[in-house]
Amino acid sequence: DAGVTQSPTHLIKTRGQQVTLRCSPKSGHDTVSWYQQALGQGPQFIFQYYEEEERQRGNFPDRFSGHQFPNYSSELNVNALLLGDSALYLCASSLTSGGSRSYNEQFFGPGTRLTVL
Amino acid sequence: AQSVSQHNHHVILSEAASLELGCNYSYGGTVNLFWYVQYPGQHLQLLLKYFSGDPLVKGIKGFEAEFIKSKFSFNLRKPSVQWSDTAEYFCAVNAPYSSASKIIFGSGTRLSIRP
Repeated sequence: DAGVTQSPTHLIKTRGQQVTLRCSPKSGHDTVSWYQQALGQGPQFIFQYYEEEERQRGNFPDRFSGHQFPNYSSELNVNALLLGDSALYLCASSLTSGGSRSYNEQFFGPGTRLTVL
Repeated sequence: AQSVSQHNHHVILSEAASLELGCNYSYGGTVNLFWYVQYPGQHLQLLLKYFSGDPLVKGIKGFEAEFIKSKFSFNLRKPSVQWSDTAEYFCAVNAPYSSASKIIFGSGTRLSIRP
């Protein structure tokens, strides 16, 4: 059973460019969350997708956008890249159970290391 | 606004020493609490979690954490650390009744174990 996979592993871009990162959730999961982890910091929530719609969003500008496909995989797009966008981008998948107190663990992928020059 | 504070940025211990990493959270309501670990070059993975019930929770690899509601704390402990515990540790919180809600992470504590 494959876990969460992300591609590419590493990416180097220049300021002003656009980038697309991809994520395939763990088998059976229907919800994908994206996080940005800057060097020396904890992951920061970007947004979450469920049923192909953005369900929650953190404090990130509109340059950050996403998409979820019918097969539950997801993309993160960042436009007009800034030096400060350099970070590890993590994808996490989970199963939305709806209404219960129980927590369905978010499984994290290995991340995509983005360097903006 | 929800937030998580981890008191120690970098902790250095010798093997067999006891470990306690501090974590305090700010959240206006009931919370789920977590500790995640990120070993060098590996995925972020869940060490342990607290939803309700016994405030002392046990996780993998001999780790445990105690939820003290009055102090808004969820400190991580291990009686005797090993060199293989060298990693980054993150305390985190999210809202219950929403199984896939966003997780708020602390800034992390880097743990270095001297052989």
